[in-house]
Amino acid sequence: DVKVTQSSRYLVKRTGEKVFLECVQDMDHENMFWYRQDPGLGLRLIYFSYDVKMKEKGDIPEGYSVSREKKERFSLILESASTNQTSMYLCASSLRNQPHYSGANVLTFGAGSRLTVL
Amino acid sequence: GIQVEQSPPDLILQEGANSTLRCNFSDSVNNLQWFHQNPWGQLINLFYIPSGTKQNGRLSATTVATERYSLLYISSSQTTDSGVYFCAVSMTYNNNDMRFGAGTRLTVKP
Repeated sequence: DVKVTQSSRYLVKRTGEKVFLECVQDMDHENMFWYRQDPGLGLRLIYFSYDVKMKEKGDIPEGYSVSREKKERFSLILESASTNQTSMYLCASSLRNQPHYSGANVLTFGAGSRLTVL
Repeated sequence: GIQVEQSPPDLILQEGANSTLRCNFSDSVNNLQWFHQNPWGQLINLFYIPSGTKQNGRLSATTVATERYSLLYISSSQTTDSGVYFCAVSMTYNNNDMRFGAGTRLTVKP
């Protein structure tokens, strides 16, 4: 089974701190994603990556950056945390984009990181 | 962009009952996935089903792409089925275009 591991389950940070959320997958997936989940707003895509050193903005990239130096690791960075970034952060991966009906597009999620910014 | 609506928003069942969750979407899709989020926040992929019918144990799903809806059936529900069920769709095959519904919160009582 594919495993997506997020480094921290719960974090509490102060406003202005730099925050790193790490995500590692162990099945050689090409695609990795960062979402945030908020009550009433559902899951929203922050950033995604199709390959090493490659990144694309999702729907809500403001205030975030990402890093993918190795295929298995995708990091989400909050340069200067703010209270409105208090949320559940979910990392996901999929094998690759297939231009047809295929299990290669199945999304596998990590357990989530609940961040509180005070 | 594509709109996704899930119904009902909340569902309470007694253990052993059956249920049907619905996902309506506003445009044709090439990628549709159902997920279960347990009470601890973990999202598990249940089905990848842009069309047709699939079954996995007590769960099955049907997507009627031409009519723009998908159904998730849960039979003989158990307390461990509690959580939130999400439908996510994309017009392309790419996951970066996925739009998630607001979810159906299921509570199964013993």
